[in-house]
Amino acid sequence: DTGVSQDPRHKITKRGQNVTFRCDPISEHNRLYWYRQTLGQGPEFLTYFQNEAQLEKSRLLSDRFSAERPKGSFSTLEIQRTEQGDSAMYLCASSYGTSMADTQYFGPGTRLTVL
Amino acid sequence: AQTVTQSQPEMSVQEAETVTLSCTYDTSESNYYLFWYKQPPSRQMILVIRQEAYKQQNATENRFSVNFQKAAKSFSLKISDSQLGDTAMYFCAGGYNQGGKLIFGQGTELSVKP
Repeated sequence: DTGVSQDPRHKITKRGQNVTFRCDPISEHNRLYWYRQTLGQGPEFLTYFQNEAQLEKSRLLSDRFSAERPKGSFSTLEIQRTEQGDSAMYLCASSYGTSMADTQYFGPGTRLTVL
Repeated sequence: AQTVTQSQPEMSVQEAETVTLSCTYDTSESNYYLFWYKQPPSRQMILVIRQEAYKQQNATENRFSVNFQKAAKSFSLKISDSQLGDTAMYFCAGGYNQGGKLIFGQGTELSVKP
Protein backbone atom coordinates (compact mmCIF):
# COMPACT_ATOMS: atom_id res chain seq x y z
CA ASP A 1 0.00 0.00 0.00
CA THR A 2 1.23 3.47 -0.83
CA GLY A 3 1.14 5.71 2.21
CA VAL A 4 -0.33 9.18 2.57
CA SER A 5 1.46 11.61 0.29
CA GLN A 6 1.62 15.38 0.50
CA ASP A 7 2.74 17.95 -2.03
CA PRO A 8 4.78 20.09 -1.87
CA ARG A 9 7.05 18.97 0.94
CA HIS A 10 8.36 22.48 1.45
CA LYS A 11 6.90 25.86 0.57
CA ILE A 12 8.44 29.27 1.10
CA THR A 13 6.22 32.23 0.44
CA LYS A 14 6.01 35.92 1.16
CA ARG A 15 3.50 37.37 3.57
CA GLY A 16 0.23 38.11 1.84
CA GLN A 17 0.53 35.41 -0.82
CA ASN A 18 -1.88 32.51 -1.19
CA VAL A 19 -0.68 28.92 -0.93
CA THR A 20 -2.32 25.58 -1.62
CA PHE A 21 -1.28 22.17 -0.35
CA ARG A 22 -2.40 18.79 -1.60
CA CYS A 23 -2.90 15.54 0.26
CA ASP A 24 -3.45 12.13 -1.31
CA PRO A 25 -4.75 9.63 1.23
CA ILE A 26 -4.24 5.90 1.25
CA SER A 27 -6.46 4.36 -1.40
CA GLU A 28 -10.03 3.68 -0.21
CA HIS A 29 -9.57 5.58 3.05
CA ASN A 30 -12.82 7.44 3.58
CA ARG A 31 -11.60 9.85 6.25
CA LEU A 32 -9.01 12.55 5.75
CA TYR A 33 -7.64 14.89 8.42
CA TRP A 34 -5.57 18.06 8.46
CA TYR A 35 -3.38 19.07 11.41
CA ARG A 36 -0.90 21.86 11.97
CA GLN A 37 2.31 21.38 13.94
CA THR A 38 4.57 24.21 15.05
CA LEU A 39 8.13 23.60 16.15
CA GLY A 40 8.39 21.71 19.41
CA GLN A 41 4.62 21.25 19.77
CA GLY A 42 2.14 18.49 19.18
CA PRO A 43 -0.10 18.59 16.14
CA GLU A 44 -3.27 20.68 16.38
CA PHE A 45 -6.43 19.55 14.65
CA LEU A 46 -7.68 21.75 11.81
CA THR A 47 -10.43 19.85 10.02
CA TYR A 48 -11.54 16.46 8.77
CA PHE A 49 -13.60 14.93 5.99
CA GLN A 50 -15.61 11.80 5.69
CA ASN A 51 -15.70 11.13 1.98
CA GLU A 52 -16.41 14.58 0.49
CA ALA A 53 -18.24 15.96 3.54
CA GLN A 54 -16.34 18.25 5.88
CA LEU A 55 -17.53 17.06 9.29
CA GLU A 56 -15.63 19.30 11.68
CA LYS A 57 -13.56 22.46 11.58
CA SER A 58 -11.42 23.81 14.38
CA ARG A 59 -11.71 27.38 15.54
CA LEU A 60 -8.06 27.57 14.50
CA LEU A 61 -9.27 27.43 10.91
CA SER A 62 -9.87 31.12 10.29
CA ASP A 63 -11.62 32.55 7.27
CA ARG A 64 -8.29 32.61 5.47
CA PHE A 65 -8.12 28.81 5.54
CA SER A 66 -10.25 26.60 3.34
CA ALA A 67 -10.12 22.87 2.77
CA GLU A 68 -11.83 20.77 0.15
CA ARG A 69 -12.16 17.14 -0.79
CA PRO A 70 -14.27 17.39 -3.91
CA LYS A 71 -14.54 13.76 -4.95
CA GLY A 72 -13.79 12.09 -1.67
CA SER A 73 -10.25 11.27 -2.72
CA PHE A 74 -7.47 13.87 -2.52
CA SER A 75 -7.83 17.05 -0.50
CA THR A 76 -6.48 20.56 -0.77
CA LEU A 77 -5.81 23.09 1.97
CA GLU A 78 -5.58 26.70 0.88
CA ILE A 79 -4.31 29.57 2.98
CA GLN A 80 -5.10 33.03 1.68
CA ARG A 81 -3.15 36.16 2.57
CA THR A 82 -0.52 34.22 4.49
CA GLU A 83 0.86 35.62 7.73
CA GLN A 84 4.12 34.83 9.49
CA GLY A 85 2.14 33.01 12.17
CA ASP A 86 1.04 30.50 9.53
CA SER A 87 4.59 29.12 9.37
CA ALA A 88 4.27 25.50 10.47
CA MET A 89 4.24 21.90 9.32
CA TYR A 90 0.86 20.97 7.85
CA LEU A 91 0.13 17.30 8.34
CA CYS A 92 -2.45 15.20 6.55
CA ALA A 93 -3.72 11.85 7.80
CA SER A 94 -6.22 9.33 6.55
CA SER A 95 -8.16 6.40 8.00
CA TYR A 96 -10.59 3.72 6.90
CA GLY A 97 -13.76 3.53 8.94
CA THR A 98 -15.92 5.81 11.02
CA SER A 99 -14.62 5.54 14.55
CA MET A 100 -11.65 6.55 16.62
CA ALA A 101 -10.64 2.90 16.71
CA ASP A 102 -9.51 3.24 13.11
CA THR A 103 -5.85 4.12 12.85
CA GLN A 104 -4.95 7.51 11.43
CA TYR A 105 -2.00 7.21 9.06
CA PHE A 106 0.02 10.36 8.70
CA GLY A 107 1.79 11.79 5.70
CA PRO A 108 5.24 13.40 5.73
CA GLY A 109 3.83 16.92 5.97
CA THR A 110 4.25 20.18 4.10
CA ARG A 111 6.54 22.65 5.80
CA LEU A 112 5.40 26.23 5.19
CA THR A 113 7.69 29.19 5.79
CA VAL A 114 6.18 32.64 5.48
CA LEU A 115 8.74 35.41 5.10
CA ALA B 1 -13.28 20.20 26.52
CA GLN B 2 -10.60 17.58 26.25
CA THR B 3 -6.96 18.15 27.09
CA VAL B 4 -3.86 15.98 26.95
CA THR B 5 -0.77 16.88 28.94
CA GLN B 6 2.78 15.57 28.76
CA SER B 7 4.97 17.02 31.47
CA GLN B 8 8.32 15.57 30.40
CA PRO B 9 9.77 17.59 27.49
CA GLU B 10 12.88 15.39 27.25
CA MET B 11 14.01 12.03 28.50
CA SER B 12 16.97 9.79 27.88
CA VAL B 13 17.60 6.10 28.44
CA GLN B 14 20.44 3.69 27.91
CA GLU B 15 20.08 1.10 25.22
CA ALA B 16 18.43 -2.11 26.50
CA GLU B 17 16.94 -0.39 29.55
CA THR B 18 13.32 0.47 30.30
CA VAL B 19 11.80 3.94 30.20
CA THR B 20 8.34 5.27 31.05
CA LEU B 21 6.79 8.32 29.44
CA SER B 22 3.95 10.07 31.28
CA CYS B 23 0.67 11.46 30.01
CA THR B 24 -2.49 12.74 31.66
CA TYR B 25 -5.77 13.53 29.99
CA ASP B 26 -8.95 15.25 30.96
CA THR B 27 -12.35 14.40 29.56
CA SER B 28 -15.71 13.58 31.00
CA GLU B 29 -16.52 11.13 28.22
CA SER B 30 -16.26 7.40 28.77
CA ASN B 31 -16.22 6.43 25.09
CA TYR B 32 -12.70 7.68 24.60
CA TYR B 33 -9.56 6.38 22.94
CA LEU B 34 -5.97 7.09 23.90
CA PHE B 35 -2.91 6.73 21.71
CA TRP B 36 0.84 7.01 21.71
CA TYR B 37 2.38 8.18 18.44
CA LYS B 38 6.08 8.21 17.55
CA GLN B 39 7.64 10.87 15.29
CA PRO B 40 11.27 10.00 14.40
CA PRO B 41 13.54 12.87 13.33
CA SER B 42 12.45 14.14 9.91
CA ARG B 43 10.09 11.23 9.45
CA GLN B 44 6.35 10.86 9.62
CA MET B 45 4.27 10.08 12.64
CA ILE B 46 3.35 6.46 13.25
CA LEU B 47 1.01 4.84 15.76
CA VAL B 48 2.75 2.97 18.56
CA ILE B 49 -0.15 1.76 20.68
CA ARG B 50 -3.85 2.37 21.30
CA GLN B 51 -6.05 1.98 24.39
CA GLU B 52 -9.83 2.01 24.60
CA ALA B 53 -10.74 3.93 27.76
CA TYR B 54 -13.62 1.57 28.55
CA LYS B 55 -11.27 -1.42 28.72
CA GLN B 56 -9.55 -2.21 32.00
CA GLN B 57 -6.80 -4.29 30.47
CA ASN B 58 -3.65 -2.41 29.55
CA ALA B 59 -2.68 -2.56 25.89
CA THR B 60 0.60 -4.18 24.86
CA GLU B 61 2.47 -4.21 21.55
CA ASN B 62 5.74 -6.13 21.70
CA ARG B 63 8.18 -3.95 23.71
CA PHE B 64 5.59 -1.21 24.21
CA SER B 65 2.95 -1.29 26.92
CA VAL B 66 0.71 1.20 28.64
CA ASN B 67 -0.23 1.76 32.25
CA PHE B 68 -3.78 3.08 32.07
CA GLN B 69 -5.10 4.47 35.35
CA LYS B 70 -8.66 5.55 34.61
CA ALA B 71 -9.41 7.18 37.97
CA ALA B 72 -6.22 9.21 37.82
CA LYS B 73 -6.70 9.90 34.08
CA SER B 74 -3.17 8.76 33.51
CA PHE B 75 -1.86 6.97 30.41
CA SER B 76 1.85 6.24 30.53
CA LEU B 77 3.94 4.40 27.94
CA LYS B 78 6.57 1.89 28.96
CA ILE B 79 9.28 0.97 26.47
CA SER B 80 11.22 -2.14 27.41
CA ASP B 81 14.62 -3.15 26.03
CA SER B 82 15.07 0.30 24.47
CA GLN B 83 16.69 0.37 21.05
CA LEU B 84 18.52 3.15 19.23
CA GLY B 85 15.66 3.24 16.73
CA ASP B 86 13.29 4.26 19.52
CA THR B 87 14.88 7.72 19.51
CA ALA B 88 12.01 10.04 18.53
CA MET B 89 9.38 12.48 19.72
CA TYR B 90 6.54 10.66 21.41
CA PHE B 91 3.09 12.18 21.48
CA CYS B 92 0.19 11.13 23.64
CA ALA B 93 -3.20 11.76 22.03
CA GLY B 94 -6.86 11.21 22.72
CA GLY B 95 -10.16 11.34 20.88
CA TYR B 96 -13.85 10.55 21.22
CA ASN B 97 -15.06 7.39 19.54
CA GLN B 98 -17.73 9.20 17.56
CA GLY B 99 -15.50 12.07 16.58
CA GLY B 100 -12.57 12.31 14.24
CA LYS B 101 -10.06 14.66 15.72
CA LEU B 102 -7.11 13.71 17.84
CA ILE B 103 -5.99 16.01 20.63
CA PHE B 104 -2.24 15.77 21.12
CA GLY B 105 0.01 16.49 24.06
CA GLN B 106 3.11 18.64 23.78
CA GLY B 107 5.40 15.67 23.19
CA THR B 108 8.36 14.05 24.93
CA GLU B 109 11.68 13.87 23.12
CA LEU B 110 13.25 10.50 23.90
CA SER B 111 16.93 9.83 23.28
CA VAL B 112 18.24 6.28 23.48
CA LYS B 113 21.96 6.29 24.17
CA PRO B 114 24.34 3.47 23.21
